Amino acid sequence: DQQVKQNSPSLSVQEGRISILNCDYTNSMFDYFLWYKKYPAEGPTFLISISSIKDKNEDGRFTVFLNKSAKHLSLHIVPSQPGDSAVYFCAASGGAGGGADGLTFGKGTHLIIQP
Amino acid sequence: NAGVTQTPKFRILKIGQSMTLQCAQDMNHNYMYWYRQDPGMGLKLIYYSVGAGITDKGEVPNGYNVSRSTTEDFPLRLELAAPSQTSVYFCASSLRTSAAFFGQGTRLTVV
Repeated sequence: DQQVKQNSPSLSVQEGRISILNCDYTNSMFDYFLWYKKYPAEGPTFLISISSIKDKNEDGRFTVFLNKSAKHLSLHIVPSQPGDSAVYFCAASGGAGGGADGLTFGKGTHLIIQP
Repeated sequence: NAGVTQTPKFRILKIGQSMTLQCAQDMNHNYMYWYRQDPGMGLKLIYYSVGAGITDKGEVPNGYNVSRSTTEDFPLRLELAAPSQTSVYFCASSLRTSAAFFGQGTRLTVV
């Protein structure tokens, strides 16, 4: 049973517009959420995170929103750039940071930025 | 900075062979992890370690073994390779309160 779900396998967005990637989770014990970006043949790269005590965290063009009651989070990228084309993974843990017992990942969303 | 280094990058194994995937980190992180990623799927935790001499099973540990004799190294051992172990393997490390840093991955094919 998937505890972290990314229901959109792919998303196509025009360059300069906003990209919104969604993620849902079922385990109420998760209290720390992360987004990773992955290019082909490379390892995932940490992008941004949010603790369950917050509902928003911003870092440059990237903003993550958390709705605990709905068990939903989203990643907003504004403006989208060609270099943002990659697979984005949502991940969750029961503790701060990487989680002493590891991360639970979604299946990923392939973001394609169209020129 | 090297970060997390995995070797080899690619490997083809025959069914029943064994091998060790190497992972080393130079960030003095206490926590280390092994994940596998199958096509179209997210990463799944195989084993993790919270410090030298301490290891624990993750979600998919069957068919694998690990050891952690030093802070820097966390090798993953496959004893009897099976086709179901064909995957991309990622090693990662972190501090207790930091996001995990990942290596470049090892692509393993078992034929």
